[in-house]
Amino acid sequence: AQKVTQAQTEISVVEKEDVTLDCVYETRDTTYYLFWYKQPPSGELVFLIRRNSFDEQNEISGRYSWNFQKSTSSFNFTITASQVVDSAVYFCALKRPDSGYSTLTFGKGTMLLVSP
Amino acid sequence: DTEVTQTPKHLVMGMTNKKSLKCEQHMGHRAMYWYKQKAKKPPELMFVYSYEKLSINESVPSRFSPECPNSSLLNLHLHALQPEDSALYLCASSPQNRDRAYEQYFGPGTRLTVT
Repeated sequence: AQKVTQAQTEISVVEKEDVTLDCVYETRDTTYYLFWYKQPPSGELVFLIRRNSFDEQNEISGRYSWNFQKSTSSFNFTITASQVVDSAVYFCALKRPDSGYSTLTFGKGTMLLVSP
Repeated sequence: DTEVTQTPKHLVMGMTNKKSLKCEQHMGHRAMYWYKQKAKKPPELMFVYSYEKLSINESVPSRFSPECPNSSLLNLHLHALQPEDSALYLCASSPQNRDRAYEQYFGPGTRLTVT
């Protein structure tokens, strides 16, 4: 069985603060895929990043960065200089090992509130 | 074009009504998904279609009936729903490949209220 844990239910920050969202995963697969999605109040899930288990390079995209550490089974997400538009629920997800479909096991999500 | 569209945006229906949710994508994706999402919860997978055939049914009650008329369209037919079925229904699509995983592209969802 696999599992994704996002221990932070809700985080509140003030604009321009840096914030890190934690994600810890469990899987028996040696090859696996991790994802982060953003869900703003409008409801649509927006894809942010996909990471393969065999690629441990960290990634930076503008104000977003991801720290993938296989040794601790973590895939944390940092927003630098947060903005009000970053307010959303963020989901970490792991591809389910049930065939060629990209079906996902989601964490419970972390709600990020950025106030002006 | 990475857009998945869903109609309607909002739907209110009685427990005896029959209605349908529609989803469309033009990205050439051959896998399409229906999810149900309750407030403050992650999305829950309901169905997966692969090459227009139903591949995964997550033990969803028969009052939900999916249909994939062609590679771009996905419907969810609703009949005799219960108030607890009120939720956000999300459609998604992705390329399909046995050897790797792709990100899913989600539509904006249909917010369903059953009265």
